[in-house]
This record gives sequence, C-alpha cells and structure tokens, in this order.
Amino acid sequence: KNEVEQSPQNLTAQEGEFITINCSYSVGISALHWLQQHPGGGIVSLFMLSSGKKKHGRLIATINIQEKHSSLHITASHPRDSAVYICAVTAGGTSYGKLTFGQGTILTVHP
Amino acid sequence: DAGITQSPRHKVTETGTPVTLRCHQTENHRYMYWYRQDPGHGLRLIHYSYGVKDTDKGEVSDGYSVSRSKTEDFLLTLESATSSQTSVYFCAIRPTNYGYTFGSGTRLTVV
Repeated sequence: KNEVEQSPQNLTAQEGEFITINCSYSVGISALHWLQQHPGGGIVSLFMLSSGKKKHGRLIATINIQEKHSSLHITASHPRDSAVYICAVTAGGTSYGKLTFGQGTILTVHP
Repeated sequence: DAGITQSPRHKVTETGTPVTLRCHQTENHRYMYWYRQDPGHGLRLIHYSYGVKDTDKGEVSDGYSVSRSKTEDFLLTLESATSSQTSVYFCAIRPTNYGYTFGSGTRLTVV
C-alpha cells in the first residue's frame, strides 16, 4: 500500500463545475503539498499545509491531521485547470524535506 | 522557474554511456533533490543534498550518483546508462517554510 493515496485517478468535468480531489496518507507528516503539472510541463507548487485550510483564487486546500486526509477543491472550474494534480507529503522528524508523492489525479475540464 | 535551471532539457544517449544532468540554483538554498517521473510510478526520489558535499540516497538510487561541490550546483550522474533509466528527471529546491520549486525537467531517452 502506498504511503500517499489519491482519488480519483482520473476526473472529467464540465466548465463551471466544483471539483474535489482527495489525498490520504499513512505516515506522520510535517507538511502536505499540492502540486500542479500541465501536460508536457513543469511542476508547480500550489499549497503547503500543516493544518487547517488555505485559499488561493479558485483553489482551496484543506487538511485534517487526525484523519490523515486532505482535499483540493477547485471552484468554477475552467479548461485551463486541466492538469495533473499531485499530493505529496514531507515526513515528520528528520526527513530533510524529502517528498513522498501520490500517483496524481488527471483532471480534464471540458468547455 | 526563476531561480532553478536544469540542463540539458532533452537528451538521447546510448546504453552504457555515462550521462550527467545539471541542476543550478541562484537562490542559495541548502536542500536540493533529484526525482524521476515515470508512468505508473509517479515521482520518486533518487538522491538529495542537505549541504555542500552532504548527500544521501533516495528510494531509487541504484545506478545513480550525485555530487554537490558548490551550493548552487547539484549534479546527477548515470555512470552507465540503461534503458530502465529512460525517464523525466526533475530537480527541486526547498525554500524554507514555503513550497518547493521544481526545475523544468530533463527528458532522457536511453536507446
């Protein structure tokens, strides 16, 4: 079983829909990260969370430390949101900031 | 991304040849990482560095070596390239208390 599990693996939506991507992890963490990767593109860091909730534009990320679960929400989705969204964690303790990644969620938003 | 550069961006090499990938940062960060990205496996850590001449192995380090003789440069070497090392390689830096910054990636094909 992977230490970081994402669901769904694939997600298709119509423009304007509210989208949720989930991430569960099995280890103690110091932080959880949400990343975005456009097709053929580089990887961009969206959020770093250790507790609570963060918002940036139409993107909202939440984390529940007790349940070892995080969600990434996209409000009013747009075709330009089509990308792979990756959840990653940095373990607690002396981990040197190494990231452990989920498999990613492929999001396609149709106009 | 500003502050981190990978070279080359693309490379095709023959089995058995040595290959060196370069990651260069201009932001003087202590921590640097090399990851590889493969379909079905996602992103996995190859090696990381926590200072000049301080490096350690990640989960998929076999066949790879690294060097960090200056803060700004982190080199990844494939001593004798194999087809299983065909992948996209990403370098990352870790700005303190913020999300990670990834390089644009190097697409390596071993034929």
